Amino acid sequence: AQRVTQPEKLLSVFKGAPVELKCNYSYSGSPELFWYVQYSRQRLQLLLRHISRESIKGFTADLNKGETSFHLKKPFAQEEDSAMYYCALSSGGSNYKLTFGKGTLLTVNP
Amino acid sequence: GAGVSQTPSNKVTEKGKYVELRCDPISGHTALYWYRQSLGQGPEFLIYFQGTGAADDSGLPNDRFFAVRPEGSVSTLKIQRTERGDSAVYLCASSPTIVSSDTQYFGPGTRLTVL
Repeated sequence: AQRVTQPEKLLSVFKGAPVELKCNYSYSGSPELFWYVQYSRQRLQLLLRHISRESIKGFTADLNKGETSFHLKKPFAQEEDSAMYYCALSSGGSNYKLTFGKGTLLTVNP
Repeated sequence: GAGVSQTPSNKVTEKGKYVELRCDPISGHTALYWYRQSLGQGPEFLIYFQGTGAADDSGLPNDRFFAVRPEGSVSTLKIQRTERGDSAVYLCASSPTIVSSDTQYFGPGTRLTVL
């Protein structure tokens, strides 16, 4: 069975500080990992995916298969980054189901 | 263009009643997904459609839940004999194809409250 764990329910940092949202997964094959974000009063939207190896809004995430982790990082947090962040996994290929973690609420204080 | 839309945005019903939740996907998207998000949890997969057929309904919690997509576009999630435990936000998402790397675009959700 596949599982996604986000150990922090809440994370609070000051503007300009580095931020890391942790995500660990459990899956025996080669999963595809995603980070979704939900800003206040907005719908859930894709932030980034590991296969794209891209930086979105200054965020990056590296898939570490040895540690089964996909932590989300940003070197300098901004107030507009305050949101709920969900890590998600799919089995890859034509397997479409997303398994989500419980989410981490990030608050960036001025 | 327009994103995924869901109606109603809020639904309050009494225990034992029947409810229907509607999802209008992005035009041309082949795949449509339903998820349920309970308080304090991430979204949980319910069912997925490829075109008109339910390709995987393994996430439906029991036979009180049923979903259709008769013309390969709009989908309706139907819940019979609602229970208080069914209270949650029901999310719909669509994607262009079934490939897992395709972005799933989410709707705003329907908040269901069963009294």
